[in-house]
Amino acid sequence: EAQVTQNPRYLITVTGKKLTVTCSQNMNHEYMSWYRQDPGLGLRQIYYSMNVEVTDKGDVPEGYKVSRKEKRNFPLILESPSPNQTSLYFCASRRAGGTYEQYFGPGTRLTVT
Amino acid sequence: DQQVKQNSPSLSVQEGRISILNCDYTNSMFDYFLWYKKYPAEGPTFLISISSIKDKNEDGRFTVFLNKSAKHLSLHIVPSQPGDSAVYFCAAIITGTASKLTFGTGTRLQVTL
Repeated sequence: EAQVTQNPRYLITVTGKKLTVTCSQNMNHEYMSWYRQDPGLGLRQIYYSMNVEVTDKGDVPEGYKVSRKEKRNFPLILESPSPNQTSLYFCASRRAGGTYEQYFGPGTRLTVT
Repeated sequence: DQQVKQNSPSLSVQEGRISILNCDYTNSMFDYFLWYKKYPAEGPTFLISISSIKDKNEDGRFTVFLNKSAKHLSLHIVPSQPGDSAVYFCAAIITGTASKLTFGTGTRLQVTL
């Protein structure tokens, strides 16, 4: 089954404790992105990657890191999480060219206390 | 600066009637538009899209209309069904650039019996 998976689905952590949210897709897509969803703000892009070893900042990259060492994986790293990073996070992927349709993972709800 | 706006946070429609969800954008460089549907505890799923070279695209019960001069698009659902109750996001992209979807803030549609 074609899908984007994220882990964990739920995470409660404390300020400053480094964490990684994993994202994996099995569709051989070139493009991958991370978004956060906040009430009244919709979905905002954090980082995106056009292919292996090619990443760039989205609209709200502060406090986040990403890496793309393999085509299928695109982890999101919070080196020192803060309460304002409490949010619902989505990973997405799509193939290069075509209809620009992105496939989203199920989401990771992160709470930073 | 919200480049894609959905000014109605919520909409309630009776089953069988038409649902009309609206979206406005400010960036005239956007040339491809998508609608996504999101159920609670799930990631957004692609619904329908339209290129700026068209003014209408239809897929079953879903039709998207684009008015470029007004920088406005709308999603029509006819007839509305209870299973359509979800949050709907419109999104826009400048094709040929990096893979950056800009999302609206979403409209929660409730279809009542």
